[in-house]
Amino acid sequence: AQTVTQSQPEMSVQEAETVTLSCTYDTSESDYYLFWYKQPPSRQMILVIRQEAYKQQNATENRFSVNFQKAAKSFSLKISDSQLGDAAMYFCAYLVGQGAQKLVFGQGTRLTINP
Amino acid sequence: ETGVTQSPTHLIKTRGQQVTLRCSSQSGHNTVSWYQQALGQGPQFIFQYYREEENGRGNFPPRFSGLQFPNYSSELNVNALELDDSALYLCASAIGSGNTGELFFGEGSRLTVL
Repeated sequence: AQTVTQSQPEMSVQEAETVTLSCTYDTSESDYYLFWYKQPPSRQMILVIRQEAYKQQNATENRFSVNFQKAAKSFSLKISDSQLGDAAMYFCAYLVGQGAQKLVFGQGTRLTINP
Repeated sequence: ETGVTQSPTHLIKTRGQQVTLRCSSQSGHNTVSWYQQALGQGPQFIFQYYREEENGRGNFPPRFSGLQFPNYSSELNVNALELDDSALYLCASAIGSGNTGELFFGEGSRLTVL
């Protein structure tokens, strides 16, 4: 069974600094996708960034980038120039490349931005 | 373009009752999924509907059931409510049943079972 583990229940960072959130996953599949979702206090889950497992290049979306280590089954999220609006729960998620779009989520990391 | 909307936003039920939660998908989306998010946990997949047919189910008992309508809106029904059913229920929509991975979530329905 696929599992996703986020070992940091809470993280905090000073505004304008950089923070890295960790995620590891377990799968025997070769075709899959990995995601980071953000859930602000208003609760709506928003996609932050996505990585296809077959791509070696790490995904980047503005201030958000990932470090995808396929052999180590590691998928960390780096947030540069942290802003107050980045405060939220961050969930790492896995999606197998076939069948229903069943996202497997980690437990989440609560990120606090200190002004 | 409207987003995913869910109703009701909050509700309280007692053990043994039945509940229906509703979801209106984002315009043009024909796939809808439901997730249960217990307090302090990540969401867990309940099931997915594509073109009115269930095409995937998570580890939830049969008292969790759903429907998808021709306009692609959806319902989640839970019978014989238990205390552990207290959670935030999230609906997510997407285009097609393939795994592009882009799911659009609603704000959820917070269910409390007493």
